[in-house]
Amino acid sequence: KAGVTQTPRYLIKTRGQQVTLSCSPISGHRSVSWYQQTPGQGLQFLFEYFSETQRNKGNFPGRFSGRQFSNSRSEMNVSTLELGDSALYLCASSLVLGSVTDTQYFGPGTRLTVL
Amino acid sequence: AQKVTQAQTEISVVEKEDVTLDCVYETRDTTYYLFWYKQPPSGELVFLIRRNSFDEQNEISGRYSWNFQKSTSSFNFTITASQVVDSAVYFCALNPHNQGGKLIFGQGTELSVKP
Repeated sequence: KAGVTQTPRYLIKTRGQQVTLSCSPISGHRSVSWYQQTPGQGLQFLFEYFSETQRNKGNFPGRFSGRQFSNSRSEMNVSTLELGDSALYLCASSLVLGSVTDTQYFGPGTRLTVL
Repeated sequence: AQKVTQAQTEISVVEKEDVTLDCVYETRDTTYYLFWYKQPPSGELVFLIRRNSFDEQNEISGRYSWNFQKSTSSFNFTITASQVVDSAVYFCALNPHNQGGKLIFGQGTELSVKP
């Protein structure tokens, strides 16, 4: 069974640009969460999607947005990139929403560098 | 406030030594879940254990063991007879009640096991 896949794995952008990251959950999983990992702030929750609806959101500015498609695949978008957006973006999938009783499986992440 | 503290930033041990990674959490919820994840250099977070707030039983899985003490709000992780392959960053995380699958992570402890 394939794991969580994230594309692209590496990305270099310049300030002011926008970027879209993609996450394909494990087959059959319907919940997708996104996290940002930086050396300074550590791992921080961005948002969680289930059945194409955002169910939970972290404390990030509106430049960070996401969506989920009917096949459970998810994308996140960051507009007007800032240097501080350079980070590893991790996606996690699980079978159901609020998956505390269900393991969240993480993908390998997308390394975004903003110049 | 809900928070997870991993006071040990880096730990270095020699192979076959036992090592304990500390985790202290803060929450006012009576229902919550605690997790440990391992992050090898590849970047992917690997699930190790989940514990709910009503289950204080310690758990052992091979060389890994976990000690959950609600009285001190701690959920410590011990690796017995450490191996080079245990070298990674380890994260403790808290899932607050009624916040879906949102995980609040500690800053992580980087474990280096030398041969």
